[in-house]
Amino acid sequence: IAGITQAPTSQILAAGRRMTLRCTQDMRHNAMYWYRQDLGLGLRLIHYSNTAGTTGKGEVPDGYSVSRANTDDFPLTLASAVPSQTSVYFCASGPGTQSTDTQYFGPGTRLTVL
Amino acid sequence: GQNIDQPTEMTATEGAIVQINCTYQTSGFNGLFWYQQHAGEAPTFLSYNVLDGLEEKGRFSSFLSRSKGYSYLLLKELQMKDSASYLCAVMDSNYQLIWGAGTKLIIKP
Repeated sequence: IAGITQAPTSQILAAGRRMTLRCTQDMRHNAMYWYRQDLGLGLRLIHYSNTAGTTGKGEVPDGYSVSRANTDDFPLTLASAVPSQTSVYFCASGPGTQSTDTQYFGPGTRLTVL
Repeated sequence: GQNIDQPTEMTATEGAIVQINCTYQTSGFNGLFWYQQHAGEAPTFLSYNVLDGLEEKGRFSSFLSRSKGYSYLLLKELQMKDSASYLCAVMDSNYQLIWGAGTKLIIKP
């Protein structure tokens, strides 16, 4: 069982380019999340999806979009990358949105925007 | 606003005990989580508290006081592999996790 996979592992991107970060889980979890992690800051929620077909905005959604066409996949798209989007991006999933539901994280994508 | 505070860095000796504190101010409370994150890796779940008191799991214990907005993670019999960052997160009234910046724990022989 793979759990959660993310691709690519790392990427260097020119400013203004479009980029999609991929996330796939095989645990049949309903909820999925995208976070960014920057040095000295806590994980910040970008977008989330409580179930397939629905998405919501997190704390820092500007410049990012997501879709949830099925249970397993939750891609994150940067329409026109800017240097401030340089970060480590983690995808996570959880059984649902109950208070006891633990989130499980993918290995992360390290993105550098030049 | 919502705020989670943790010390930035702590140092401890192999075999000793260390306590990592976390204080929080959030809109609502639906539980507090502790995660461990080794450098360059993903966070992994350690513990969950929703009621006041101590939860013990082997060498790791987590305590919660909801009235004080306070939690701590206690690590006993420290091992070199415990060198990592420890992240405190609170689930708010919208059932979303609010994360602290993490405490980097350095273990010395």
